[in-house]
Amino acid sequence: QKEVEQDPGPLSVPEGAIVSLNCTYSNSAFQYFMWYRQYSRKGPELLMYTYSSGNKEDGRFTAQVDKSSKYISLFIRDSQPSDSATYLCAWASGNTPLVFGKGTRLSVIA
Amino acid sequence: DVKVTQSSRYLVKRTGEKVFLECVQDMDHENMFWYRQDPGLGLRLIYFSYDVKMKEKGDIPEGYSVSREKKERFSLILESASTNQTSMYLCASSTPQSGGNEKLFFGSGTQLSVL
Repeated sequence: QKEVEQDPGPLSVPEGAIVSLNCTYSNSAFQYFMWYRQYSRKGPELLMYTYSSGNKEDGRFTAQVDKSSKYISLFIRDSQPSDSATYLCAWASGNTPLVFGKGTRLSVIA
Repeated sequence: DVKVTQSSRYLVKRTGEKVFLECVQDMDHENMFWYRQDPGLGLRLIYFSYDVKMKEKGDIPEGYSVSREKKERFSLILESASTNQTSMYLCASSTPQSGGNEKLFFGSGTQLSVL
């Protein structure tokens, strides 16, 4: 079983829609959960990170973690064309390098 | 702002050539990483380094080596380039955090084509 599973998409939504991006993981040792955003022809950049189960909000973005189900989500409210990018979930545990999902490509259509 | 600079944006090499990909970060980060990114396969870790002159193998080190002679510079070396090494190469750096809560800062990537 792969450590991290993420639907690659592509996902296409109209402007203003609520977007839900999801990842599942299998390693119970994971402690920190992150979302990176990668625009075309750019490197990924950290969007949000969280430690505990529950929700964390930052503007139009909400990261949700369910440790009991080993499931994390990223919600984007009022999506904009500028949100069009690839979104990668990532996990950290102890002193080992981050484990990344394969990324979901999102297109927000004006 | 943290800046991670990769020396080339696009690179075209021939099979069998020795290839050097250079990465420099300006924030005194201890940790540096090399990933390759391929469609459908995501980000895969090649090598990483937690200190000068230290290196650790990642998930796919075969066919690659690295050099870290200075803290700010981390080089990826393809000893004898092959066509299956055509990929986007991404360098990243970070400062270690207790418990693993480190935040990676990535360069813009080098798109390498091996013909």
